[in-house]
Amino acid sequence: KNQVEQSPQSLIILEGKNCTLQCNYTVSPFSNLRWYKQDTGRGPVSLTIMTFSENTKSNGRYTATLDADTKQSSLHITASQLSDSASYICVVRSEGTGNQFYFGTGTSLTVIP
Amino acid sequence: NAGVTQTPKFRILKIGQSMTLQCTQDMNHNYMYWYRQDPGMGLKLIYYSVGAGITDKGEVPNGYNVSRSTTEDFPLRLELAAPSQTSVYFCASSYSAGKLFFGSGTQLSVL
Repeated sequence: KNQVEQSPQSLIILEGKNCTLQCNYTVSPFSNLRWYKQDTGRGPVSLTIMTFSENTKSNGRYTATLDADTKQSSLHITASQLSDSASYICVVRSEGTGNQFYFGTGTSLTVIP
Repeated sequence: NAGVTQTPKFRILKIGQSMTLQCTQDMNHNYMYWYRQDPGMGLKLIYYSVGAGITDKGEVPNGYNVSRSTTEDFPLRLELAAPSQTSVYFCASSYSAGKLFFGSGTQLSVL
């Protein structure tokens, strides 16, 4: 069964600190994996995409990793800011026709001053 | 570009009422989707469309209907509202199942 699991479910960190969010998936065949950021009351917005051949990709203070062998991805946030408070959703796309996206339940991150 | 626009943002329905959630996109995307997001749960696909005139069921289609007469519009119809349909609804679009662009959501309560 195609599934995406994220951990932790929620996380509270102090402003300026780093954190790492985890995503494990069983989706097959794998096409790509995206991390989305969802601010409260808004729709998710894509942060980064990881394809099979990519191990690490950075987008500002966000760094995503992918281990296609173990089917794990992580999102590392450096020097957190209050504006990083949001839900972070891991979405895995599968090859093929029809519904191709599998969503994790998200990690709720709260950055406190 | 406005991206994906959803209306209304909030709505309260009585049990048995019907309504249409509107969604329009101006990016000429061929794929459009409707998701619902319940508290603590991942987004669940209700219906999707790969182009005008083509729609297909997602994971949780019961109680909903859609149509896709144009590339831009993808309305979601609730015929007989039930409390189980209380949720936040998101419309999204993409070009050939690439990056998803989401609307800002519709918070629906059925009482």
